[in-house]
Amino acid sequence: SQTIHQWPATLVQPVGSPLSLECTVEGTSNPNLYWYRQAAGRGLQLLFYSVGIGQISSEVPQNLSASRPQDRQFILSSKKLLLSDSGFYLCAWKQTGSEGYTFGSGTRLTVV
Amino acid sequence: GEDVEQSLFLSVREGDSSVINCTYTDSSSTYLYWYKQEPGAGLQLLTYIFSNMDMKQDQRLTVLLNKKDKHLSLRIADTQTGDSAIYFCAERRSFNKFYFGSGTKLNVKP
Repeated sequence: SQTIHQWPATLVQPVGSPLSLECTVEGTSNPNLYWYRQAAGRGLQLLFYSVGIGQISSEVPQNLSASRPQDRQFILSSKKLLLSDSGFYLCAWKQTGSEGYTFGSGTRLTVV
Repeated sequence: GEDVEQSLFLSVREGDSSVINCTYTDSSSTYLYWYKQEPGAGLQLLTYIFSNMDMKQDQRLTVLLNKKDKHLSLRIADTQTGDSAIYFCAERRSFNKFYFGSGTKLNVKP
C-alpha cells in the first residue's frame, strides 16, 4: 500500500539552530513531492516541489531549502531558523494518474 | 494560499446543511478540490471536481462549480458534530501545484 511518513511530529528549536525535516513515501515510484507550510490561522503556502531526484523548485524565497536525495525521500532544511519559520509543515505527494495530493501528518515547528 | 479566497468561519446546528464557499483565480485550473483538516492533523482529500463539470455529488457532499464566476462551493447535508473541522478549497495549476485557500472553520453545534 502507498503511505507517506513525516517526522518528527513536533519540534521546538531555538532561533539560529539548524532544521531538518524528513518525508518518505512508500509503495510508489517517481512521485511528485511537495512541502507546504501552514502558519497559525492561515492557509497553506507551497514552499517547494520536486518532480524527480535532485530536482527542486522553490515557490517562495526564504530561509529554507529542500533536497531530494532519493526517489521517495524529500527533506526540508534550514541553516539558521528564524522566529517566523514557526508553523505546521506538511509534506504531500501526488502520483501520476491520481487526482489529489496525499498529505503526511505534519510537523509542528515552534522556534523560540 | 495564493488568491484563493474563503470565508474564515461558519457555524451551523447539527442536522442543518452547511455551505462553504470559495473563489479561485486561475480559469485554466483543471481540477478543484475540497480538503478537510481536523485539529493537529494533516489534510484529507474529501472530494474534487473536474473543471468541465457543474456539479458532483458524493453521499452527503455536493460540490457546485460556477466556472464563469470562478466560484466553488461545498454543501454538507445533515451536518454532524464530527464534521467540525477546517475545510480548504484548492485549485490545481501547472506542474500539479495546488494552491489553497485560507480555510473555513466549520463549527457544528449540537
